[in-house]
Amino acid sequence: SQQGEEDPQALSIQEGENATMNCSYKTSINNLQWYRQNSGRGLVHLILIRSNEREKHSGRLRVTLDTSKKSSSLLITASRAADTASYFCATDWNFNKFYFGSGTKLNVKP
Amino acid sequence: EAGVAQSPRYKIIEKRQSVAFWCNPISGHATLYWYQQILGQGPKLLIQFQNNGVVDDSQLPKDRFSAERLKGVDSTLKIQPAKLEDSAVYLCASSLEERGAQHFGDGTRLSIL
Repeated sequence: SQQGEEDPQALSIQEGENATMNCSYKTSINNLQWYRQNSGRGLVHLILIRSNEREKHSGRLRVTLDTSKKSSSLLITASRAADTASYFCATDWNFNKFYFGSGTKLNVKP
Repeated sequence: EAGVAQSPRYKIIEKRQSVAFWCNPISGHATLYWYQQILGQGPKLLIQFQNNGVVDDSQLPKDRFSAERLKGVDSTLKIQPAKLEDSAVYLCASSLEERGAQHFGDGTRLSIL
């Protein structure tokens, strides 16, 4: 399978702490994207990082990409209760074939 | 801008019946995707359109699933006949660029009895 897989499957932290989740994949990719999904809703795009980029920031989010290790990480700093959601990575390989991992379920306790 | 619209929001049918879902992407988005998301899993791509042409349908169970995107705008996904394992949320997404950020609708939750 070319699917990206997130780790850990579940993460529970206190408000104000940082949350880190990882994504590993198996083949070369064009880009990697991170999405958030709140319960019962569609996915919301967070960040897209291209294969020639190593790090990107968006507000409290920081994404890194290590193509030599075929892995990416998403860091959420100073987490809030509203960050409680599932987070997915999606890999884009072989001309637009998209694969989503099974996600990391993040619970931020107030 | 208006988001991706999907209908219906919920659908309950019996196995072997047929069902159709509708999606209206964000205006100007040439790429449209249909995903199946089973509870506890990530979305699985069923079919991807670029305008009204199919880019990838390698994971679409073509014996029972069909999709069309007439005129390169809105799209319908049909299941006929439905099986119990088709119970899932069906998500539609669109993107401005072929490999760009995808914008998702809230999906149709399908339950098969």
